[in-house]
Amino acid sequence: GDSVTQMEGPVTLSEEAFLTINCTYTATGYPSLFWYVQYPGEGLQLLLKATKADDKGSNKGFEATYRKETTSFHLEKGSVQVSDSAVYFCALRRGGSQGNLIFGKGTKLSVKP
Amino acid sequence: EAQVTQNPRYLITVTGKKLTVTCSQNMNHEYMSWYRQDPGLGLRQIYYSMNVEVTDKGDVPEGYKVSRKEKRNFPLILESPSPNQTSLYFCASSSRGQGVSTEAFFGQGTRLTVV
Repeated sequence: GDSVTQMEGPVTLSEEAFLTINCTYTATGYPSLFWYVQYPGEGLQLLLKATKADDKGSNKGFEATYRKETTSFHLEKGSVQVSDSAVYFCALRRGGSQGNLIFGKGTKLSVKP
Repeated sequence: EAQVTQNPRYLITVTGKKLTVTCSQNMNHEYMSWYRQDPGLGLRQIYYSMNVEVTDKGDVPEGYKVSRKEKRNFPLILESPSPNQTSLYFCASSSRGQGVSTEAFFGQGTRLTVV
């Protein structure tokens, strides 16, 4: 079945460090890909998305490129801030789906001053 | 303001005592879902609904019920809660309009403890 695999956490970085969180997927058809972020004590909110191969999603300095050849959607940010500390979830919605999102297990990021 | 509202935010209950977690959205979305979040397991879908009176099982439906009598509401019912249902629960909604690329909006979560 369809699935999302993302790197295990937690990830601890110093402020201004470069961030990469790996995400790979298995899916039939042509899924859309998403990154959601969960700040402490809050629900999930959409960070960015990409709907077809080679699309790049970007928001708040974060970027991810939909790579169909490697079935990947890695999240990157050039310079993290303490306020980026959160749990990040990679997710896919399958082509033809009636609304089902499939999530990875989440990666907790802690950024130290 | 567009939002998904869950109540209660926190709940401690005893084994076997029926409870309902409410979820309401004000965006006229067709799709609504319930997820549970557990450490090391991420988010797993419990039930989803594609529209009024249309519901279906997700990945972990055992021990839960849902109903969708109105478009805006999608309550989660635990008829006889057990300790293994202790978890953080999220309701989500999305529009059918953009198809596969549509964004899901999440509530703030309900932390349930069953003792």
